[in-house]
Amino acid sequence: QKEVEQDPGPLSVPEGAIVSLNCTYSNSAFQYFMWYRQYSRKGPELLMYTYSSGNKEDGRFTAQVDKSSKYISLFIRDSQPSDSATYLCAMSAISGGFKTIFGAGTRLFVKA
Amino acid sequence: EADIYQTPRYLVIGTGKKITLECSQTMGHDKMYWYQQDPGMELHLIHYSYGVNSTEKGDLSSESTVSRIRTEHFPLTLESARPSHTSQYLCASRDGNTEAFFGQGTRLTVV
Repeated sequence: QKEVEQDPGPLSVPEGAIVSLNCTYSNSAFQYFMWYRQYSRKGPELLMYTYSSGNKEDGRFTAQVDKSSKYISLFIRDSQPSDSATYLCAMSAISGGFKTIFGAGTRLFVKA
Repeated sequence: EADIYQTPRYLVIGTGKKITLECSQTMGHDKMYWYQQDPGMELHLIHYSYGVNSTEKGDLSSESTVSRIRTEHFPLTLESARPSHTSQYLCASRDGNTEAFFGQGTRLTVV
């Protein structure tokens, strides 16, 4: 079983829709949770970073962590065509020397 | 925009050739990483370094080697390229234990 599971999609939505991206994980020691956005032919860039459980909001993006369910989510409000990219979840733990484990990424297409 | 650079961006090379993928960062980060990324697959850590003269193998078995003689430079070398090495290679650096900054990647094709 993979430590981090992420549906690869693709996910296609109309412009303006609310997008929900999710990951599940098996290692209860994970404490740091990240979402990266990767445009085609580019390297990933950090979008959101959360420590432990709870919500974090940044503009149109909201990250949620539910440690009891080992489930994290990224919500995108008022999605735009420029949000079309691959979104990778990532997580790490002190016990693992902060080694970051990445999900496979979900490809998102936002249609104008 | 992150100050981490990878060259070349694209490389097509014949089987058996020796190649070096370059990675440089100007942020003074101690921690640097090499990942391999195939379409629809997770990023797999192949090498990492926590400082000068420190290198470790990652989770994914790799026939490549790395060196860290200077803080800003973390090259990856394949002594004898094979078609199975065809992939995208991503270099990253990090300060502390939070955000990793990634380079643009090198897309390697071995024919």
